[in-house]
Amino acid sequence: GIQVEQSPPDLILQEGANSTLRCNFSDSVNNLQWFHQNPWGQLINLFYIPSGTKQNGRLSATTVATERYSLLYISSSQTTDSGVYFCAVAGGSYIPTFGRGTSLIVHP
Amino acid sequence: IAGITQAPTSQILAAGRRMTLRCTQDMRHNAMYWYRQDLGLGLRLIHYSNTAGTTGKGEVPDGYSVSRANTDDFPLTLASAVPSQTSVYFCASSDEYTDTQYFGPGTRLTVL
Repeated sequence: GIQVEQSPPDLILQEGANSTLRCNFSDSVNNLQWFHQNPWGQLINLFYIPSGTKQNGRLSATTVATERYSLLYISSSQTTDSGVYFCAVAGGSYIPTFGRGTSLIVHP
Repeated sequence: IAGITQAPTSQILAAGRRMTLRCTQDMRHNAMYWYRQDLGLGLRLIHYSNTAGTTGKGEVPDGYSVSRANTDDFPLTLASAVPSQTSVYFCASSDEYTDTQYFGPGTRLTVL
């Protein structure tokens, strides 16, 4: 199956800082999603982005499918951005594979 | 609109007991999924269903079974629970037009 690697595994920021999270994958994909898991365990879909660039407020994501990576940008981070960010990909089988996540802590 | 509901919220279970985790969605999504989440391992797919009447095995299917009698419900059964099945279980469904996944709140299961 497709291998998914996320980096960095852990990230600590001061409120207001910017950050970039990376997701590398080992094969062609037709589905890539970014999720945020908040400290209470709730998983929220941030982006469906198998290719191209999308923006939603302070968050944006870019996927370069030909080079097999995706980036999630968080600008002007807030304490509510804390949690774990997951990348999930799917190839021809359409069965999702998740990375192990990036744990983000934003200090006030 | 509730989205996806899971029951129970949490459960402590004796090893060897049978347990069914319930998952119901009201979004009329065709595809549904069961994941387990363990510390440091992210989410791993247990079973999935692309449409009512069909199911498939994911990455870690052993010890689990599922059924999909209708579009809304996708129960996960542990026939004889073992301590290694202690985990947080998430149910999800996806929109067939965008493949966007929506998750339930999870069930925290402890097998002693």
